[in-house]
Amino acid sequence: QVQLVQSGPEVKRPGASVKVSCKTSGYSFTNYAMAWLRQAPGQGPEWLGWLSTNGDSNFYAREVEGRVSMTADTSTNTAFLDLRGLRSDDTATYYCARVWGGYQFDFWGQGTLVTVSS
Amino acid sequence: QSVLTQPPSASGSLGQSVTISCTGTSSDVGASKHVSWYQQHPDKAPTLLMYDVSTRPSGVPDRFSGSKSGNTASLTVSGLQPEDEGFYFCSSHAGSYTFLFGGGTTLTVL
Repeated sequence: QVQLVQSGPEVKRPGASVKVSCKTSGYSFTNYAMAWLRQAPGQGPEWLGWLSTNGDSNFYAREVEGRVSMTADTSTNTAFLDLRGLRSDDTATYYCARVWGGYQFDFWGQGTLVTVSS
Repeated sequence: QSVLTQPPSASGSLGQSVTISCTGTSSDVGASKHVSWYQQHPDKAPTLLMYDVSTRPSGVPDRFSGSKSGNTASLTVSGLQPEDEGFYFCSSHAGSYTFLFGGGTTLTVL
């Protein structure tokens, strides 16, 4: 069955960087793009961007462009999110989600809580 | 931060129906065939409930239905069950690989 398993919680200081991983199984990794989103408590998600897992394109939200990188390791079927220059308002649960049909997200990781605090 | 507007809460009695709205603009919800809905239980990852406005993925009960009129999409849950309690949010494609989300609605089954 399809599974997306993310790395564990992180606590970072303002200005630091964080790297979140999303290890997939149960499907052909390069046949689906991978999206990254984040969600603050009690709110809807925020779109961060998506990664073409066959390596030919990335699309980042304007809100994080310049601070974010999304990459994939096809040898381990794992996607990665790097976020730099962390600020307190980056505190959220970060999710990877498989893009299905180009416009919706059919399988999600369990989420990774990133806390930015001095 | 949420661009699509949803009511923060909704409720209905067991067996009754409830409708949750998701309002955007003519540039997103109004223009898009690709509006989807997600259900999320506490401390769990979201699950896809509806896509392309009114299409249910395999395994989603037909008690869930979707529609759209103008700039507002709606999710209706009929025959409310206790397991329907949770957090619901909408999403709309907004062009150029961009997606917008609603702020979410907490559904309570009375």
